[in-house]
Amino acid sequence: GENVEQHPSTLSVQEGDSAVIKCTYSDSASNYFPWYKQELGKRPQLIIDIRSNVGEKKDQRIAVTLNKTAKHFSLHITETQPEDSAVYFCAAEGDSWGKFQFGAGTQVVVTP
Amino acid sequence: DVKVTQSSRYLVKRTGEKVFLECVQDMDHENMFWYRQDPGLGLRLIYFSYDVKMKEKGDIPEGYSVSREKKERFSLILESASTNQTSMYLCASSAGQGGGELFFGEGSRLTVL
Repeated sequence: GENVEQHPSTLSVQEGDSAVIKCTYSDSASNYFPWYKQELGKRPQLIIDIRSNVGEKKDQRIAVTLNKTAKHFSLHITETQPEDSAVYFCAAEGDSWGKFQFGAGTQVVVTP
Repeated sequence: DVKVTQSSRYLVKRTGEKVFLECVQDMDHENMFWYRQDPGLGLRLIYFSYDVKMKEKGDIPEGYSVSREKKERFSLILESASTNQTSMYLCASSAGQGGGELFFGEGSRLTVL
């Protein structure tokens, strides 16, 4: 089955700097890769996703890149703000549609 | 507005008790999921369901069962709770067949003493 590894586990950045989170996956058949943000005490919510026929996708200050050959994808947050502080999870849709493998999560702390 | 509701935010149970966690979604979604969230382990899939009366094992089904008698409701059952089942449980739903957004509930934090 699918296995997703996520790094780093914690990330501290100064406000205004960029943050990058990287994930690798094992199943070459995976073709959908969402990113979820979970604020403290809240439910995870989708912030951006990418499909295997696209190499990069951008939405305002966040972007996701996908390298299918190397089987890794990354989340990029530019001009970080305190409200970006949260746990971020990457995921990959594995051999059964709708069935996702999640990474272990990255705690991002943005300090003013 | 999309809504997934979990019946209990916090539960405290004793070892050996039977535990029911209820989840209801109002989006007419076909797919429903139960995840377990533990620090450093991310979200791990316990069971999921593509349709009423259907269920599929996820990655960590041992010690759990599920029930989906109606499309909008998906229940997680711990037949005999154990301390290693102390965790945060998240229900989610999604529409269609693959590649769809998961909508999560607020979570149920279960403590087994």
